[in-house]
Amino acid sequence: EIVLTQSPGTLSLSPGERATLSCRASQSVSSSSLAWYQQKPGQAPRLVIYGASSRASGIPDRFSGGGSGTDFTLTISRLEPEDSAVYYCQQYRDIFGQGTKLEIK
Amino acid sequence: QLQLQESGPGLVKPSETLSLTCSISDGSISSSDYFWAWIRQPPGKGLEWVGTIHYNGNTYYKPSLKSRLTISIDTSKIQFSLNLRSATAADTAVYYCARWRSTTYCYDYWGQGTLVAVSS
Repeated sequence: EIVLTQSPGTLSLSPGERATLSCRASQSVSSSSLAWYQQKPGQAPRLVIYGASSRASGIPDRFSGGGSGTDFTLTISRLEPEDSAVYYCQQYRDIFGQGTKLEIK
Repeated sequence: QLQLQESGPGLVKPSETLSLTCSISDGSISSSDYFWAWIRQPPGKGLEWVGTIHYNGNTYYKPSLKSRLTISIDTSKIQFSLNLRSATAADTAVYYCARWRSTTYCYDYWGQGTLVAVSS
């Protein structure tokens, strides 16, 4: 069974900075099956990135995804206060990482 | 814009069946490109996939829940349902229904979620 491990657990940054979130798979996975979601308090998750690097509809170009094999990243440049959320990576249909909490100071 | 809406009791007694329905706003329930899923989130914790169904009736369940879980679909009513038998406090969570797009392997639409507490 594939396990996704996200790091760091919490990331605290200032507006305008760049955030780099990591998602590591326990074995190699297809890039096409790796997605990222943003979840704000009290809300459902929202698709941010699919296919490891494709932005979902309505997602600003400040969000970018990359990686392959076992190591994937979500990068958010020029952080804004509204980016505060928990971010989850997800593989194929049934595997989720434990999440990274992004705080904007 | 597709909308998904969960409905069902917010409180279930231990050992009883947790039942939820997800209503879908368009006809994509019958498209071969999409699968329909239940995902849950215990209070203060992360996301946990529960199970998935395709309009052709094929189901995929989380192994640890398989013995208690049934997911069904009704294309005429444009909805799908979850039944989790012998509920325990560990099943307390916000339950989301979501659409999984098989062409891009992602959950592109989610319901708002419904909190189900298992308690006497």
